[in-house]
Amino acid sequence: QVQLQESGPGLVKPSETLSLTCTVSGDSISNYYWSWIRQPAGKGLEWIGRIYTSGSTYYNPSLKSRVSMSVDTSKNQLSLKLSSVTAADAAIYYCARGTRAAAGIFDYWGQGTLVTVSS
Amino acid sequence: DIVMTQSPDSLAVSLGERATINCKSSQSVLYSSNNKNQLAWYQQKPGQPPKLLIYWASTRESGVPDRFSGSGSGTDFTLTISSLQAEDVAVYYCQQYYTSPHTFGQGTKLEIK
Repeated sequence: QVQLQESGPGLVKPSETLSLTCTVSGDSISNYYWSWIRQPAGKGLEWIGRIYTSGSTYYNPSLKSRVSMSVDTSKNQLSLKLSSVTAADAAIYYCARGTRAAAGIFDYWGQGTLVTVSS
Repeated sequence: DIVMTQSPDSLAVSLGERATINCKSSQSVLYSSNNKNQLAWYQQKPGQPPKLLIYWASTRESGVPDRFSGSGSGTDFTLTISSLQAEDVAVYYCQQYYTSPHTFGQGTKLEIK
């Protein structure tokens, strides 16, 4: 059974960089697209971007200037960095796997990690 | 970006009755090369991540009960729960994967009447 687990600091100061890791178990991360999706408290879902295990990325234009994603196939991990955070970046952050049929069908999700932005 | 608009925002249905949720995209999500609608539905229960229910607008994910069905094409789609069960209380989201950025509807909260 594929499992995803997000980890990282739950509290980030304004203007600093948010850094999260997603560790995948139960299957190799190779040859899949992996996305990051966030959800502000009580609100809807926003797709942040995706990375393929080759390292190619696509970022949501709304966040593109501040987002960076990477993958470490040796550790079966992906990572997300979001710079210059503000209160608007406070959310639950999820990593999710895209299926081989279509990168945008998310069949496995992590439980999510809550990020608060506060000084 | 493709805007996804769901209706209604909330819905209360009696146990055993049919629940219908609508989703409209601001442009067609029908991909001509494979004639498939690039539309998925997710269910999110409190404190949990979204769960994939339906993709290609009408294909049920493995393990999803057959009371869940999806229909529609182009810009208009529907998620139907044929006989509401207590465990179906959740927020439901549609999502397009026709183009990036992938976008979600605002969600429909389904409750028991």
